[in-house]
Amino acid sequence: QVQLVESGGGVVQPGRSLRLSCAASGLTFSDYGMHWVRQAPGKGLEWVAAISNGGSDKYYADSVKGRFTISRDNSKNTLYVEMNSLRTEDTAMYYCTKGWGVGATTTWFGPWGQGTLVTVSS
Amino acid sequence: QSVLTQPPSVSAAPGQKVTISCSGSSSNIGNNYVSWYQQLPGTAPKLLIYDNNKRPSGIPDRFSGSKSGTSATLGITGLQTGDEADYYCGTWDRSLSVAVFGGGTQLTVL
Repeated sequence: QVQLVESGGGVVQPGRSLRLSCAASGLTFSDYGMHWVRQAPGKGLEWVAAISNGGSDKYYADSVKGRFTISRDNSKNTLYVEMNSLRTEDTAMYYCTKGWGVGATTTWFGPWGQGTLVTVSS
Repeated sequence: QSVLTQPPSVSAAPGQKVTISCSGSSSNIGNNYVSWYQQLPGTAPKLLIYDNNKRPSGIPDRFSGSKSGTSATLGITGLQTGDEADYYCGTWDRSLSVAVFGGGTQLTVL
């Protein structure tokens, strides 16, 4: 079955950078658009970024635009997000999830990884 | 403030039925399919309903979805204590070019 495993989270100071990874298995990774969704402690889901199957199309939430960069390596079945200029409000569990088709746009997400926790604090 | 609006909480007794609403606009729900997610305490979200009313393999038919205009509804029948979770609606917003979620609804099975 499809498995998505995130890694790279941790505690980081405001203004610093962090790169998250998501290793995918059980699917033809290059056939799907992929997404990052985050959830701040005690809060709801917030979509962060999307990338099409080949990496040519990317979308970002306004809250991260210009600071986060989504990318993928289809040869390694891995999704990434590079997070720069981190702020305390970026503290959240970050989930990797698959879209329904090849594009970066999607109306549903599934499955989801177990998440990796990012804490931005001095 | 979420683009899609859900009630913060709903409750019902075991065995009963509950519905959760999700309200949006013409740029999201009005012109796109809606999906629903269940998030049990301490776990990742799980896809419950996609394309307004379709259930992924393994999701029991106690869960149903519907859409009318710019609103969608999740229905759960035969409530069980194991259904206690947060439920989220989601879709794509064509005007904003972003995916959007509701603020989430906490279901309590009394």
